[in-house]
Amino acid sequence: AQSVTQLGSHVSVSEGALVLLRCNYSSSVPPYLFWYVQYPNQGLQLLLKYTSAATLVKGINGFEAEFKKSETSFHLTKPSAHMSDAAEYFCAVTFRGQNFVFGPGTRLSVLP
Amino acid sequence: DAGVTQSPTHLIKTRGQQVTLRCSPKSGHDTVSWYQQALGQGPQFIFQYYEEEERQRGNFPDRFSGHQFPNYSSELNVNALLLGDSALYLCASSWGRNTEAFFGQGTRLTVV
Repeated sequence: AQSVTQLGSHVSVSEGALVLLRCNYSSSVPPYLFWYVQYPNQGLQLLLKYTSAATLVKGINGFEAEFKKSETSFHLTKPSAHMSDAAEYFCAVTFRGQNFVFGPGTRLSVLP
Repeated sequence: DAGVTQSPTHLIKTRGQQVTLRCSPKSGHDTVSWYQQALGQGPQFIFQYYEEEERQRGNFPDRFSGHQFPNYSSELNVNALLLGDSALYLCASSWGRNTEAFFGQGTRLTVV
């Protein structure tokens, strides 16, 4: 069985500060890991994905995430937050064609 | 490419009624998955359709049923609506067992 935990349901950062959103997973098979972003009243937009290639994955809008097997983590980072980054972020795990298992989400607020 | 399209965008139904939600997958995609996202939570997997058959199912009651048509579009049907069925329903499409899924904007269902 697969599961995802996201530490911190709400994270606030100042504009220009580092963004760090935490994701830990549990999977009985080598996982494929994803980060999605959701803006209010919208669907999910893919930020980045790990599918067993490079462990440091770069995504859109300056985000990146590092897969650490020993820590079962896939934390999302961005060096400098922008006001437009304020949204809900979801980490998800899957394995070849199986359904996505999502974490509970982290709401990111960016303060001016 | 229109991406994944869902209809309607919003819907209000009364307890006990039945509802049908529709999804057209991204061009070239043959697999459709449905997720329920309650307010403040991560999406929960309902079921997945491939080659017009239900391939996987999450932990949802039989009141939730679906269908996939030869053109790969899909419907989600919910019978005997409960207040707790109020949620954003997301459709995701992918190709075969490819891990990357594209999400639609969702249908906001409100049961009163």
